[in-house]
Amino acid sequence: QQQVKQSPQSLIVQKGGISIINCAYENTAFDYFPWYQQFPGKGPALLIAIRPDVSEKKEGRFTISFNKSAKQFSLHIMDSQPGDSATYFCAASITGANNLFFGTGTRLTVIP
Amino acid sequence: EPEVTQTPSHQVTQMGQEVILRCVPISNHLYFYWYRQILGQKVEFLVSFYNNEISEKSEIFDDQFSVERPDGSNFTLKIRSTKLEDSAMYFCASSEAKGVGQPQHFGDGTRLSIL
Repeated sequence: QQQVKQSPQSLIVQKGGISIINCAYENTAFDYFPWYQQFPGKGPALLIAIRPDVSEKKEGRFTISFNKSAKQFSLHIMDSQPGDSATYFCAASITGANNLFFGTGTRLTVIP
Repeated sequence: EPEVTQTPSHQVTQMGQEVILRCVPISNHLYFYWYRQILGQKVEFLVSFYNNEISEKSEIFDDQFSVERPDGSNFTLKIRSTKLEDSAMYFCASSEAKGVGQPQHFGDGTRLSIL
């Protein structure tokens, strides 16, 4: 029940296109949903996060869409750039707990 | 920008040996974490640490593992008798406070290879 399922495993997008990564969860107690970006040889870096009281959060080219009833959330990267090529992880956590439950990651490649 | 630093970047150890992974969290952070990532798999929570004691741990964090904050700056993960399946990337993280919405800042990891 603590699983966070992420898809696709890999994604190739043309420069300027929209990258979409999806995540689904089972535990309705989750109430914080961050996305992390990881470049090769580096640790995960927080990109953007959302709470379930809003359906969408936008920061620059990055948008999280959240569907509480479906227990799904997604990351949209608008105007994707080659510099966005990285592995993206969704995660979830519960108020009062410290641990993050990560998805399996999506390797994004943006082709020039 | 302050960052979490981990040493060494790569550790090679014989099976059965003890290994200590070191981390220097961001200086004003109070909560510390260890995660691991087996090659090709997801990042998994091991343990969280606050006020000189473990606050949460996962099923992975068995008696072979221990954590310590030996001084005011370092945070260590010790694996007492390493096994082949301990081979993974180990990430240290820290956060300023506890609770939802408090971002966890990750180091670049230590790659542990058990031979």
